[in-house]
Amino acid sequence: EPEVTQTPSHQVTQMGQEVILRCVPISNHLYFYWYRQILGQKVEFLVSFYNNEISEKSEIFDDQFSVERPDGSNFTLKIRSTKLEDSAMYFCASSENRGSEAFFGQGTRLTVV
Amino acid sequence: AQSVTQPDIHITVSEGASLELRCNYSYGATPYLFWYVQSPGQGLQLLLKYFSGDTLVQGIKGFEAEFKRSQSSFNLRKPSVHWSDAAEYFCAVAFEFGNEKLTFGTGTRLTIIP
Repeated sequence: EPEVTQTPSHQVTQMGQEVILRCVPISNHLYFYWYRQILGQKVEFLVSFYNNEISEKSEIFDDQFSVERPDGSNFTLKIRSTKLEDSAMYFCASSENRGSEAFFGQGTRLTVV
Repeated sequence: AQSVTQPDIHITVSEGASLELRCNYSYGATPYLFWYVQSPGQGLQLLLKYFSGDTLVQGIKGFEAEFKRSQSSFNLRKPSVHWSDAAEYFCAVAFEFGNEKLTFGTGTRLTIIP
């Protein structure tokens, strides 16, 4: 069964460093998303991406964050100058069409120290 | 304001017992409703969804959910739980068709006791 794949599963980084979280969406999907879940809190929408551009972003997704689909298969989330409060589980998701169900990856646990 | 509420943070049930997890939303129209499950170390797996039509929807793993417009609820049920059902369950809502953003509830952690 096709699945969304995220790497790494766990990343530890020092405050102020840049991190790139990687995702391989399901191959025929057109819509891509990033969500995050701070420990003990709800899953929060960060950004959606379609046709090589951001279609919607939340207030969390500020200039520190960027997304990219560099090669037609990967979908990345870059966090510049990480802060302690960026520590969270980051989920990538993809969907085939607008309004169809989103399939989630297993998540990348980011720990900023 | 649009919101999703899962009133129960943690529920414990005996194996073989029935289960109901509550989900309420606040919205002026009918949203698109989902239940996801997250097992330890795993991603979010879709159990079922409601877009329109029959208000009782069947999902995977023997789960079902009923949409009640009058109560703004979409409660998840299972007649007989198995130890493997122990996980975190999230209700999620898309408030507009074509708006891909999902708003999640805070989750309910389900513990199964023998």
